[in-house]
Amino acid sequence: DQQVKQNSPSLSVQEGRISILNCDYTNSMFDYFLWYKKYPAEGPTFLISISSIKDKNEDGRFTVFLNKSAKHLSLHIVPSQPGDSAVYFCAASSYNTDKLIFGTGTRLQVFP
Amino acid sequence: DAGVIQSPRHEVTEMGQEVTLRCKPISGHNSLFWYRQTMMRGLELLIYFNNNVPIDDSGMPEDRFSAKMPNASFSTLKIQPSEPRDSAVYFCASSWGGADTEAFFGQGTRLTVV
Repeated sequence: DQQVKQNSPSLSVQEGRISILNCDYTNSMFDYFLWYKKYPAEGPTFLISISSIKDKNEDGRFTVFLNKSAKHLSLHIVPSQPGDSAVYFCAASSYNTDKLIFGTGTRLQVFP
Repeated sequence: DAGVIQSPRHEVTEMGQEVTLRCKPISGHNSLFWYRQTMMRGLELLIYFNNNVPIDDSGMPEDRFSAKMPNASFSTLKIQPSEPRDSAVYFCASSWGGADTEAFFGQGTRLTVV
C-alpha cells in the first residue's frame, strides 16, 4: 500500500523553463511534507519542506505547493538548470511519529 | 560532523550468506532509519529507531532481516540468509527526531547477491 505516490517516473524539461513535479498522498494524518533530491551513487539530500498549516513555501528557485483537500503537493523549479537533473523524492510524516514515508521518485532531466 | 557513515559502500555476496550493513548516525541525532531503494517501490522504510529503541519494524520484509542499535552511535542491518531478490541499495538516515525535522542520509550500501 503506497501511501505516498509519484505517478510520473520521469520528466524532461528544457533549461530555463519550469519543472513541475507532483506527489499525491492517501494518509490524512500526514502533516509535514518534504522533497529530497538524489544524484547517482549518493544518498538523498533534503531540498525543501512544508507544514500542513501552509499552502506554499519558497526557497530560491524552489517552491512547494500543498493542496490538503486534494492530498496533493507539487515542487516547482524555476528556472530549471542542468544541475537540477536528478531523482526527486517526495516524503511525508505525521505529527505523532518520526516515520518518513517516501514516494517512488521522479527522474528529472534538464536539457540545454 | 562527517554526516551519516555507512559501510561497506558495495557488497557482493553469494546467495545463502549472511550480510551485515553498518551505520554510524550523526552525533546527537536520536532517530535512525533504514531504507531500501528499488525501482518498483522507491525508498522503502524497513525499520526505524528512536533513542536506540526499535519503534516500527513493519517494513522489514521477512524474518531473514534483522536490525539492531546497541548504542546511539551505531546500528546494523543483517540479512541471513541472503537471496538474489535482496539486491538493492540500502540507506541509513538519522534525524533530531520530531515530526518536523528532515532526515540526513548516508551514501548507501549497494548490495548484490549472486
